[in-house]
Amino acid sequence: QITLKESGPTLVKPTQTLTLTCTFSGFSLSTSGVGVGWIRQPPGKALEWLALIYWNDDKRYSPSLKSRLTITKDTSKNQVVLTMTNMDPVDTATYYCAHNDFWSGSLDYWGQGTLVTVSS
Amino acid sequence: NFMLTQPHSVSESPGKTVTISCTRSSGSIASNYVQWYQQRPGSAPTTVIYEDNQRPSGVPDRFSGSIDSSSNSASLTISGLKTEDEADYYCQSYDSSNLVFGGGTKLTVL
Repeated sequence: QITLKESGPTLVKPTQTLTLTCTFSGFSLSTSGVGVGWIRQPPGKALEWLALIYWNDDKRYSPSLKSRLTITKDTSKNQVVLTMTNMDPVDTATYYCAHNDFWSGSLDYWGQGTLVTVSS
Repeated sequence: NFMLTQPHSVSESPGKTVTISCTRSSGSIASNYVQWYQQRPGSAPTTVIYEDNQRPSGVPDRFSGSIDSSSNSASLTISGLKTEDEADYYCQSYDSSNLVFGGGTKLTVL
């Protein structure tokens, strides 16, 4: 079955760079039509899409955060890494990774999420 | 880039039917599939509808999805409401460059 799990720091200081890793199983990111996305959710607020990477290494970023985000994949390790620069307290959120089906645009399997707090 | 607009909250009694709307601001609602996610407090979202009107296995047929080109909107309908349906619901779609979520609707079953 498909599973995903996010890992990374729970606390970062303002201006620091956040690096999150999504480790997955049950699928391969070299399979046509497969993607992995990152989504975040500030406490008590709505879901916000951040970035997507596809099987062919095509990448998509939220227009509002594009300058701060980088998404990469390591197919051999079944991992996707998201970096976000210049962290600010407003970036405090639960960060999720999810399996994406390119053809439907669906995020059909989600990780449990990891809470990242930005504070000095 | 487009937006998806949902009502902030809806409420209905157990056993009744509720419909949550999701209106696309620009571009046709029919041009890209719409998904619906359920999120209970403290949990990750799960898919209840994908590709406009398809239910994943395990999702009861009380959940249904549709799109309406005349209003450029999608709808999630839940019939025979149960207290366990109380949750936040998010619509989601995409275009050639982006994924977009609606702002979420809090469903209260009282």
